[in-house]
Formats: sequence, structure tokens, C-alpha cells
Amino acid sequence: DGGITQSPKYLFRKEGQNVTLSCEQNLNHDAMYWYRQDPGQGLRLIYYSQIVNDFQKGDIAEGYSVSREKKESFPLTVTSAQKNPTAFYLCASRVASTNTGELFFGEGSRLTVL
Amino acid sequence: GEDVEQSLFLSVREGDSSVINCTYTDSSSTYLYWYKQEPGAGLQLLTYIFSNMDMKQDQRLTVLLNKKDKHLSLRIADTQTGDSAIYFCAESQYSSASKIIFGSGTRLSIRP
Repeated sequence: DGGITQSPKYLFRKEGQNVTLSCEQNLNHDAMYWYRQDPGQGLRLIYYSQIVNDFQKGDIAEGYSVSREKKESFPLTVTSAQKNPTAFYLCASRVASTNTGELFFGEGSRLTVL
Repeated sequence: GEDVEQSLFLSVREGDSSVINCTYTDSSSTYLYWYKQEPGAGLQLLTYIFSNMDMKQDQRLTVLLNKKDKHLSLRIADTQTGDSAIYFCAESQYSSASKIIFGSGTRLSIRP
């Protein structure tokens, strides 16, 4: 079945370490997104990519990095520069050309910094 | 600027109607969406409305859009325990169709 797979579901990290969250989709979607979710703050956009080898910063890109070497994959690295990385991270994708703009979401990755 | 606002909590009795409200600031919004998030999971699209529509109905769901007041609402008829979730309002803008801006989410709880 088509969908978006995020891994790992839970991740613990020590302060000062970088960590990479995986996001893979087999929906043949052009656009992919990373959101961060904190309680009471909704979803905030970190990075998004409309095509392979291209990506744009969202509203809270500082301390994060991404790559888009393949259409199916959009990994997110949380670097040691991110001051408050503990959060629930959601990856999403959509067909870039569609007007409805429906986003399909993965199940999320919960990162906890110890 | 871009901003989407919702109240954080709503509690309704099982069988009653739930009405979740949302306000947005960008008048160039093209599509407005309602997403549902169950605990520990991603979001799923419930319904959407194009900005030139006033109302959309889909089974138990009714979406009302007041463009003048930039107000969007989601009504869930005959609310059931399975409707317990966080509901997010979101908008996409004509000027930047790639970005979808989400509200803070409203946590709907159902009491017996």
C-alpha cells in the first residue's frame, strides 16, 4: 500500500548529538514537508521541498538541515545547534500540482533529548 | 502576516453536535482544510473548502466559511467517542501555494 513511513518512531538523544529522522514515501509525490509539533502550538513548518535537489526553509529552520537527493526520501537532521529539539516531528507529502493541496502525513517521530 | 487561530479545548456530550471554530488572517487564502489527529499519530484530512464556497457538507461534517470575517467552522453532528482527537484548521495561500499554515489545534473530548 502507498504511504509515508517515518522512522524511528521514538528516539532519545544526548545533548550535543546530531540525529537524523527518516521519511520515505511511495506515493510518487513531488512535494515533501517537515513539521514540528509542540503541545498547544500546532504544527510549525521546518523545511519543504517541491522537487528533487531543491528545498526551502520554513518558519523554524534554524538548527535543522535536510536533503532531497531522491524523490522518495526527505531526511531531517536535528543538529546540536537546535536549542530545544524535544518534540514530535511530522513528515508529509503531496502532489505538487494538485489544487486541493491535501497533505498526507506519516505517523511521526518523537524525539527526546536527555 | 499569516496566522490561523483556534481555541485549544472543547468538551461535548456524546450525541450532541460539536462546533470547532477557526479564524485566519490571510485574505488570499485559496483552500481551507480541517485535519484530524488521533493520539500519537499523524494528521488525516477530514474535509476542505475552496474560498469561493460558503458551505460544504459531507455526512456528519459541515464546514461553514465566512470570508468577510475570515472565520471557518467545523460542525460534527451526533458526536461519538471515536471523534475524540485534535482538530486542526489550515490554509493555503494563492501567493505561496506550497505552504500550508496550521492552527494550534482544538482538542475535542467527549463526555458520556
